[in-house]
Amino acid sequence: DTGVSQNPRHKITKRGQNVTFRCDPISEHNRLYWYRQTLGQGPEFLTYFQNEAQLEKSRLLSDRFSAERPKGSFSTLEIQRTEQGDSAMYLCASSLGLQGGYEQYFGPGTRLTVT
Amino acid sequence: AQSVTQLGSHVSVSEGALVLLRCNYSSSVPPYLFWYVQYPNQGLQLLLKYTTGATLVKGINGFEAEFKKSETSFHLTKPSAHMSDAAEYFCAVTDRGGGYNKLIFGAGTRLAVHP
Repeated sequence: DTGVSQNPRHKITKRGQNVTFRCDPISEHNRLYWYRQTLGQGPEFLTYFQNEAQLEKSRLLSDRFSAERPKGSFSTLEIQRTEQGDSAMYLCASSLGLQGGYEQYFGPGTRLTVT
Repeated sequence: AQSVTQLGSHVSVSEGALVLLRCNYSSSVPPYLFWYVQYPNQGLQLLLKYTTGATLVKGINGFEAEFKKSETSFHLTKPSAHMSDAAEYFCAVTDRGGGYNKLIFGAGTRLAVHP
């Protein structure tokens, strides 16, 4: 069990550019979640996958955001035409669902800075 | 909608003193409850959780929490603080209404431990 990994750990981009983040969950976990955390706040739910199906999206996930989980393994989160308000820590988590008591295991996060 | 309130954004204690971090949730249906800890520039680590059964739950690093349905609370305690406990702590809930598919976090409490 190597834990949840996220790449890159840090990303600095200019406003208007596109960015993509990757999350590799714990290998046997079928559920994968994305959260966003801004300074001084708790994480906020963005979206959730069960295997390759995206089953829920938050209203926070505007049309500029898209997430995929091809083949039910790793996931990517893309932000198009970044805005300064997108600056945040993007956290990925995975779980076994009911079998795991709904515990979610978090990765180290990707810190995005939009200049 | 489900919400989580953490009373006190900053708590300061002396090394060896009792740690008490407060968490209240809004659901009328008992949810699953979690406490996570976050060290600087890192992801979230699960400290403990309550799902069903015994209302006093023990976690890692000497922390414990008690679920009190009548008070809709899930306060985190540790009898004797260590310097290494300095971090940010988040209370989170998930419930049946959301299919246990997402965590709703409080805003967090930053714990400082002084020698």
